[in-house]
Amino acid sequence: DTAVSQTPKYLVTQMGNDKSIKCEQNLGHDTMYWYKQDSKKFLKIMFSYNNKELIINETVPNRFSPKSPDKAHLNLHINSLELGDSAVYFCASSQTSTSGGADTQYFGPGTRLTVL
Amino acid sequence: GQNIDQPTEMTATEGAIVQINCTYQTSGFNGLFWYQQHAGEAPTFLSYNVLDGLEEKGRFSSFLSRSKGYSYLLLKELQMKDSASYLCAVRDGNYQLIWGAGTKLIIKP
Repeated sequence: DTAVSQTPKYLVTQMGNDKSIKCEQNLGHDTMYWYKQDSKKFLKIMFSYNNKELIINETVPNRFSPKSPDKAHLNLHINSLELGDSAVYFCASSQTSTSGGADTQYFGPGTRLTVL
Repeated sequence: GQNIDQPTEMTATEGAIVQINCTYQTSGFNGLFWYQQHAGEAPTFLSYNVLDGLEEKGRFSSFLSRSKGYSYLLLKELQMKDSASYLCAVRDGNYQLIWGAGTKLIIKP
């Protein structure tokens, strides 16, 4: 059983289009994340979200918006795609520890977005 | 600002031992993580340190010194499958995870 899944795995689209990437986790975690990994391999947090709070990285353009229909899903919608949006996007989830534990993040397989 | 420093790339020989260093400067500290990422795949969790000292898990060990802002990941009895990028990440005072750029480890026969 896949713990964190994303669709699609590959996405090729034209500049200016709007696209969505879906993410689902079946781990029962309370927090989900979206990351962008560019060609230099830096993992940059874009959003973290639980049922109480959405935390947005202030450097993320408002063309990017997370949408969470329920606790197990956090989709990423991107408007007016630009060339610089080409990257691998990872979804992740974790369970908030109340005892100071690791809150380990589990990652989905990634979506490779190519904007032409 | 907050930053995590790791070597960009390291090369080691199959069967040997390699140590990957990570230094950090963050606003507060609530734990340090090591993740492994094979090319084209997602990062996977390796280890977690929140107190000073060594955590051993099979062939992999991770060390932390909070006073020095320093950690290392030690890989023993290297195997070809250990060729991957190793990411150091620190959870800061706001419980946000700050990621290093990763160290690409190349294993040669």
